[in-house]
Amino acid sequence: DAKTTQPPSMDCAEGRAANLPCNHSTISGNEYVYWYRQIHSQGPQYIIHGLKNNETNEMASLIITEDRKSSTLILPHATLRDTAVYYCIAASTGANSKLTFGKGITLSVRP
Amino acid sequence: GAVVSQHPSRVICKSGTSVKIECRSLDFQATTMFWYRQFPKKSLMLMATSNEGSKATYEQGVEKDKFLINHASLTLSTLTVTSAHPEDSSFYICSARDYGRVYDEQYFGPGTRLTVT
Repeated sequence: DAKTTQPPSMDCAEGRAANLPCNHSTISGNEYVYWYRQIHSQGPQYIIHGLKNNETNEMASLIITEDRKSSTLILPHATLRDTAVYYCIAASTGANSKLTFGKGITLSVRP
Repeated sequence: GAVVSQHPSRVICKSGTSVKIECRSLDFQATTMFWYRQFPKKSLMLMATSNEGSKATYEQGVEKDKFLINHASLTLSTLTVTSAHPEDSSFYICSARDYGRVYDEQYFGPGTRLTVT
């Protein structure tokens, strides 16, 4: 699976959009971009995933560049409860696929 | 959304004893379950992949005789830490892949905090 690179941390103000970047320059054609987050001392929570089109769900939007070498997770209106470690993972699908977690980015939402 | 539970949430055991952790998919069938370990301030490390009815596949460096994994049904996998030692103290997290979905998102349990004294 392709390696992803994320800044170690960022913060944003409550109510503002949080834009979390991720680089995956070696992503292969069959690999999806997945985003999970982990709130302190809990299991990771699935947020969103995509292949090449932009995706949106009730939690977030995922913007993938046309060359698929990078992506941005957007939390449109961050709240204090969004403070967590966010993991960007490039992984293929199928019976043998698995998720490899990097260090992630720690998002701190300030009041 | 899909729910995965783990039991117990916390366990303290004495060095040399064995501990069993259960992972259940509550509202879906999971052909594949995964076990991770997470040390403080570190990321999740995959330990093994468990497929229903077959032997688990362990990641390099994980002792299969120490971390016994059983996936006897489509909704239950267990991890047994045998002869636990203080260095096995960690946060153990399972995840399950939803068999019925087109895409392969994994759903994670809340984790089990193991402390070996």
